Amino acid sequence: SQELEQSPQSLIVQEGKNLTINCTSSKTLYGLYWYKQKYGEGLIFLMMLQKGGEEKSHEKITAKLDEKKQQSSLHITASQPSHAGIYLCGADKTTGNQFYFGTGTSLTVIP
Amino acid sequence: NAGVTQTPKFQVLKTGQSMTLQCAQDMNHNSMYWYRQDPGMGLRLIYYSASEGTTDKGEVPNGYNVSRLNKREFSLRLESAAPSQTSVYFCASSVVLKASGNTIYFGEGSWLTVV
Repeated sequence: SQELEQSPQSLIVQEGKNLTINCTSSKTLYGLYWYKQKYGEGLIFLMMLQKGGEEKSHEKITAKLDEKKQQSSLHITASQPSHAGIYLCGADKTTGNQFYFGTGTSLTVIP
Repeated sequence: NAGVTQTPKFQVLKTGQSMTLQCAQDMNHNSMYWYRQDPGMGLRLIYYSASEGTTDKGEVPNGYNVSRLNKREFSLRLESAAPSQTSVYFCASSVVLKASGNTIYFGEGSWLTVV
């Protein structure tokens, strides 16, 4: 079973619009990662969040981890076609060297 | 700095054929992983290796074998390929950083089609 739930599964937005992708866990997250995969390419690391209430930004992308450390959101401001791809959240497992991943959100930005 | 390198990038196999996906990292990481990515399923862990000389099954190990040849290399073998193994395969490695937890690095992916 998937430990991380991502929503929405897919998203189509007009260029210039803002959007949010959510990643939810039933368990406390000890390290939450956001990745982007461009179609036909590998995964690119975006950001990592660790502390409750933490927020990080990179260019027009902002990621937040809630105070309970069970939900993270990724917000894109003024989307561009270059933002298109699959966004994936991942989280540390508390024991051992394993990670869990969400199912991904496919983003299409229409020029 | 190459990071995590996977080969081949694309492969088409016939059902029943065997092949090995190669992965190497140059970051001196202890842990390495093989994932497969399927539409709507996200990344699923096939096998992982916490350190040189050890390997463990992940979520979907059936039909696969792995070898941690040395600290740098971690290969994934399909002994008798099946159409259900058509997928994108990602190799990854990680290091545990005391202050910031695990940081994981991925290869670019290997697109495998079994016909």
